[in-house]
Amino acid sequence: QSALTQPASVSGSPGQSITISCSGTYSDVGSHNLVSWYQQHPGNAPKLIIYEVTKRPSGVSYRFSGSKSGNTASLTISRLQAEDEADYYCCSYGGRSTWVFGGGTKLTAL
Amino acid sequence: QVQLVQSGAEVKKPGASVKVFCKASGYAFISYYIHWVRQAPGQGLEWLGRINPSGESTAYTQKFQGRVTFGRDTSTSAVYMELSSLRSEDTAVFYCARGGASYDLDYWGQGTVVTVSS
Repeated sequence: QSALTQPASVSGSPGQSITISCSGTYSDVGSHNLVSWYQQHPGNAPKLIIYEVTKRPSGVSYRFSGSKSGNTASLTISRLQAEDEADYYCCSYGGRSTWVFGGGTKLTAL
Repeated sequence: QVQLVQSGAEVKKPGASVKVFCKASGYAFISYYIHWVRQAPGQGLEWLGRINPSGESTAYTQKFQGRVTFGRDTSTSAVYMELSSLRSEDTAVFYCARGGASYDLDYWGQGTVVTVSS
């Protein structure tokens, strides 16, 4: 299966909101409400920040939210903070016990 | 608390095989899948596959089918990933991650660096 499509980079100023898109196909993003998002700081393992498209694990800031429309999922970070600067990856269940990641988006806090 | 602890860094020659271990603790080992994810230097995350520690069923991404094998040892709550016929392009960090109930990857190991070099 092909990787999900994310923008290579996004940027925003502290206090602003940014949105990262994640485009797939009907076979993965479109067919399952099983999209998750991960935050990865340099040198660290990824961390789950959104699951089942919209849900936040315990301890994840309310500033992170997810949504989905058709074959495209989105991650929105509101009230951007310097510590949000990281790489972000979407991931979708693709059916038949397969998963697929997006290519990743580098978020720069200006 | 849930923890996944991986084995240490490896340096291998082209054509060799490598085995990376992932030891789980803090939860019922057989109740959750373990996924394996690869991250080449400066690149994104790539899903390799998953193993069900309960019955040892596996699923692999097509790209690595035939070259990667997952296994488990329930007595030690550990799983392993073996990658064969290594080439320089396999140089990467390999992560294990627990498969959450919501088809996510909710806890991750610290990563194991595998370097393939002659």
